[in-house]
Amino acid sequence: DAKTTQPPSMDCAEGRAANLPCNHSTISGNEYVYWYRQIHSQGPQYIIHGLKNNETNEMASLIITEDRKSSTLILPHATLRDTAVYYCIVYGGKLIFGQGTELSVKP
Amino acid sequence: EADIYQTPRYLVIGTGKKITLECSQTMGHDKMYWYQQDPGMELHLIHYSYGVNSTEKGDLSSESTVSRIRTEHFPLTLESARPSHTSQYLCASSEIRGGEKLFFGSGTQLSVL
Repeated sequence: DAKTTQPPSMDCAEGRAANLPCNHSTISGNEYVYWYRQIHSQGPQYIIHGLKNNETNEMASLIITEDRKSSTLILPHATLRDTAVYYCIVYGGKLIFGQGTELSVKP
Repeated sequence: EADIYQTPRYLVIGTGKKITLECSQTMGHDKMYWYQQDPGMELHLIHYSYGVNSTEKGDLSSESTVSRIRTEHFPLTLESARPSHTSQYLCASSEIRGGEKLFFGSGTQLSVL
């Protein structure tokens, strides 16, 4: 499974876009990028996933670079309830959660 | 909303007791998983199943065991609990053809005294 690198923490002002980066330089051609988040003491929640093309759903947008070596999760209008740990995972057979990025949305 | 349930939500138990953590899902998912997570630490996969009578060990060695007699039910058992088993245990499920879009339960916080 390809390894991912995420910043340990980020801050974002409420109402602004939160852009969470992820590096996955060793990703293989058939490996998907998944994003989950975990709000304190709860089970993780699926957000979005993609292979090559950019993806958007009701929660977020996922931008994957053309070489697929990095991606960015975008929360377009962050709210206080978006404060959580965000995990970027390259799926190569099993979901392996790393340390993630702790996003703090501030008023 | 995901329909996956874990009981109990919290459990405090003495050393040496046998415990079973329950996990049930009503979505008809074939794949089910158990993850273990210590406070502030990463989630570690300890068991998974691809369907009835299928169980596999995950990446983190665990003294727990699991069974999958029914599609909807994936209990985890510790024969003799120890303080080192104190942790949060998270159950999840997904469709075989759903990629890795997992639905997680709320978890069981286990404390062994």
